[in-house]
Formats: sequence, C-alpha cells, structure tokens
Amino acid sequence: GAGVSQSPSNKVTEKGKDVELRCDPISGHTALYWYRQSLGQGLEFLIYFQGNSAPDKSGLPSDRFSAERTGGSVSTLTIQRTQQEDSAVYLCASSSRRSRATEAFFGQGTRLTVV
Amino acid sequence: DAKTTQPPSMDCAEGRAANLPCNHSTISGNEYVYWYRQIHSQGPQYIIHGLKNNETNEMASLIITEDRKSSTLILPHATLRDTAVYYCIVASNTGKLIFGQGTTLQVKP
Repeated sequence: GAGVSQSPSNKVTEKGKDVELRCDPISGHTALYWYRQSLGQGLEFLIYFQGNSAPDKSGLPSDRFSAERTGGSVSTLTIQRTQQEDSAVYLCASSSRRSRATEAFFGQGTRLTVV
Repeated sequence: DAKTTQPPSMDCAEGRAANLPCNHSTISGNEYVYWYRQIHSQGPQYIIHGLKNNETNEMASLIITEDRKSSTLILPHATLRDTAVYYCIVASNTGKLIFGQGTTLQVKP
C-alpha cells in the first residue's frame, strides 16, 4: 500500500492482558515513530526508530511498554498487563530522511480500549 | 528539542485567510519549523516546513521571521474542511517530532 498501515484498527482487551499493535511503514522509510493520543488530548511521543541507530525510548511511560522494529520495516508495540489508563489511540508514523527534513506520514491509528 | 507556543484556539471566516502564529524563541540554527494538522478522528497530516526562508506549497504558506524566533502559517482561503488542530513543531537534528497542544482552528460559515 501507499501509506502507513496499522492493525488492528480497534482492539478491546481485558485489564491485565497483553496486547500487540502492528505498524507497516511506507516502504523505504528509515524512521518510524509511535505516539498515543488519549481522548481529547494531544499526541504523546512514545518511541522513535531511525535506521540502525538505537531507538529513542524516552517517551515510553512504563516498563510495561516495549517496541521493536524487525528488519528495519514492520514495528510492533507491545503493552503488557494492560491498565485502563492505557486506553487511547496509538498512532504510528514513518518518514524518509531528506537532508534534515522530517516529513512524517501517519497511519489511522489503533484504538485500544481496556475494560 | 526547542519548545513552541501557540494560542489554544482561533476562529476564521470561511473564504478568508487564516493566520496561525507560533513562537519558538529557543530554536537552534539547524532546526526546522514544521506544521501539521489533525482533523477530528484522523491521523496528523503534514502541511509544510521551513528552515530560514518563507515557503509556499499547494496547502499553505509559511512565514518565518528573520531571527527565526516565530513563524506564521497562512491558509489563504480557509474552508470548513480546514477546521482542525494545527501543530507547530521544531524538529531537532535527530528528526524526533514532539507535538504540543496546538491551535484549534474553527472555520465558520
């Protein structure tokens, strides 16, 4: 596909369960971001992958959150032992570095509801 | 990363120009100014970016002051579909994009 693809689009899970959210970036894009957006709030940065560099994990809210990017392409965000406060839309974005410009393309997000 | 300051909300009449200000007084010489917008229930959309010079594309114009401490995004003929939250971001050389609270632009008929 031409854009960033995220799956699932919606996920309802029980408190305490683990969830995996997937992001397929635009082919060839070296940078990948994860953000979350709670209802009525702005975008909260979670993690940033850039090429082969170590990921910037400075935005992950707790050790229950982790992410990996396999082969420099697909990324998975894992939330362990989900809590109700984890309910949010999780957004993925990718970009291609051109000089120092960073135009990011966003997916439509995964809406996570923890019940 | 430099921080930005934007007014929380603005109104604009349909068909008129919308001028959205942003202050970024601590911007570094190698940092770009980016604008994104988020229409309700959608992912953010890139609009435009600039370093020093003013920029224009099919969506908008970006005016950056000579000292680079502030900028203005201009939507020349706002339509109802331009109602959205507009984010001004200063990107570090690592490319990490940090979103603030943005400006909610309401275009009114």
